[in-house]
Amino acid sequence: GAVVSQHPSRVICKSGTSVKIECRSLDFQATTMFWYRQFPKQSLMLMATSNEGSKATYEQGVEKDKFLINHASLTLSTLTVTSAHPEDSSFYICSAQQGRDEKLFFGSGTQLSVL
Amino acid sequence: DQQVKQNSPSLSVQEGRISILNCDYTNSMFDYFLWYKKYPAEGPTFLISISSIKDKNEDGRFTVFLNKSAKHLSLHIVPSQPGDSAVYFCAAIYRLAGNQFYFGTGTSLTVIP
Repeated sequence: GAVVSQHPSRVICKSGTSVKIECRSLDFQATTMFWYRQFPKQSLMLMATSNEGSKATYEQGVEKDKFLINHASLTLSTLTVTSAHPEDSSFYICSAQQGRDEKLFFGSGTQLSVL
Repeated sequence: DQQVKQNSPSLSVQEGRISILNCDYTNSMFDYFLWYKKYPAEGPTFLISISSIKDKNEDGRFTVFLNKSAKHLSLHIVPSQPGDSAVYFCAAIYRLAGNQFYFGTGTSLTVIP
């Protein structure tokens, strides 16, 4: 089946630093990638949708200047958390979709801890 | 506005018995539904799906039932196994409207050996 690789799996950083998370589709071309954030005991909250070669579409309430998304190729999307603060600590998950296929393939997630 | 709801945050079932996870939705335009399974600190994995033109889809121990009039779907796992212990998310999409997935809040299933 389709594989989506996400790394790093865990990152601890100091407040004020920036963190980049990569999401790669390994065996298919992901025309659309999604970035989610999950708080403990809560659902997957969609942060943004990115299509290759175009600007990401952010959900209401998500700061696009803080969460920079780049979908530079059909196999790679990156999420950069700029000037991270402790409240940004969360589990971030990417997912990828090929064409208009109904199934989403998820990365393994990144646990971000901001000290 | 939560368009997909899983009203039971947790469920405990004895090994070998049936697990029934429920999901309700509000948007009658949804035409495809999926269930994902998620272990702690891992990304969700696809489990089973159903199109709105069907009312049942079965895959091994997993069966999804769809009741469109009630805007309700359920996932049945039988027999339940300890390895099934995870958080289960239902998701819905309206394919003609693009790729937006709407997820429920998840139900944490614990299968007791």
